[in-house]
Amino acid sequence: GDSVTQKQGQVTLSEDDFLFINCTYSTTTYPTLFWYVQYPGQGPQLLLKVTTANNKGISRGFEATYDKGTTSFHLQKASVQESDSAVYFCALDTNAYKVIFGKGTHLHVLP
Amino acid sequence: DAGVTQTPRHEVAEKGQTIILKCEPVSGHNDLFWYRQTKIQGLELLSYFRSKSLMEDGGAFKDRFKAEMLNSSFSTLKIQPTEPKDSAVYLCASSLVPGLNTGQLYFGEGSKLTVL
Repeated sequence: GDSVTQKQGQVTLSEDDFLFINCTYSTTTYPTLFWYVQYPGQGPQLLLKVTTANNKGISRGFEATYDKGTTSFHLQKASVQESDSAVYFCALDTNAYKVIFGKGTHLHVLP
Repeated sequence: DAGVTQTPRHEVAEKGQTIILKCEPVSGHNDLFWYRQTKIQGLELLSYFRSKSLMEDGGAFKDRFKAEMLNSSFSTLKIQPTEPKDSAVYLCASSLVPGLNTGQLYFGEGSKLTVL
């Protein structure tokens, strides 16, 4: 079945460090891929989206590239700030109604 | 425009009680989802409505969980009877047209349930 895997449960960085959050997916379709971000006390909100038509998504300094060969959709940011501390979810939409979420990666950025 | 509104934000229940969580989706959105969020399991889909029709009733959650959509702008999630393992954050989300691969869900802030 369709699935999304985020192996990093928690990432701790210092301000200005490079961020890399790993996400891989499995599906037989040509999906749309998403990164959602959840700040404390809030619901998840869309960070960026990538479809098969455009391979890269960029938003608020974050970027993710859709790699069909390795079925990966890693999230990167060149220089993190303390305000980026949140939980990041990779998600998959296989053109059905169901959006499948990864378990989430808790990013903690130290000042 | 108002986003997704969920009430109550916090609920404490004794084991065996019935609780009802409420959700108002974004105006004009056709699809409504209920998710349960825990640290161990992450986001789990409980129910899904398309244009008020129940499309997904949650599989393993069917026996004590019941979601209803009374009209296009209001949904409830009833848990009866509650058990301590139901302690979690319950998230409601709505979407305009997910079937066209837009997939963007708009989430409420969640209802945190604690069952003693």
